[in-house]
Amino acid sequence: DVKVTQSSRYLVKRTGEKVFLECVQDMDHENMFWYRQDPGLGLRLIYFSYDVKMKEKGDIPEGYSVSREKKERFSLILESASTNQTSMYLCATSGPASNQPQHFGDGTRLSIL
Amino acid sequence: QQPVQSPQAVILREGEDAVINCSSSKALYSVHWYRQKHGEAPVFLMILLKGGEQKGHDKISASFNEKKQQSSLYLTASQLSYSGTYFCGTVGGGADGLTFGKGTHLIIQP
Repeated sequence: DVKVTQSSRYLVKRTGEKVFLECVQDMDHENMFWYRQDPGLGLRLIYFSYDVKMKEKGDIPEGYSVSREKKERFSLILESASTNQTSMYLCATSGPASNQPQHFGDGTRLSIL
Repeated sequence: QQPVQSPQAVILREGEDAVINCSSSKALYSVHWYRQKHGEAPVFLMILLKGGEQKGHDKISASFNEKKQQSSLYLTASQLSYSGTYFCGTVGGGADGLTFGKGTHLIIQP
């Protein structure tokens, strides 16, 4: 079974802080994704990566950056956290083709005060 | 552009059937379906590819009409365990990630 591990289930940070969300997978998947989930808006793609050191913007990249230094690890960075970034953040991984299923982590519920 | 899902919510009695629709304004390469229970991660159900595919397992099946850029998820003789939020995710080709719809909340009552 694919295991996607997100470093924290719950996180509380202050406005202006630099926030790191970590995601680690154990299946040697090429693709990794970061989504945020908000009530009534579904899952929205922030960034994704299809290889080490490669990254692509998703639908809502503003205010975020990512890092993929190793294949198994994909980090989401909030450069200067703001209250409108309070959300559930989900990491997912998949094989190389777009017709591969995505496997999700349990999510990090981030609150920015 | 997010695909549009309908209905937004549906309440059924156990044993009834449900259809959830997903439509896109852009050409699609594939459609993914996921189910998410409250407080849990989304779980993969199935992928449909170009070619007018239909798929199914158990009493959950789906169709994909690429010309109409639409997919439908069919839940037959619904069970209590089917409750949750269903998301379709569309892929337009290339290296795009999935673009998910806003979800359809399905509640199955005994």
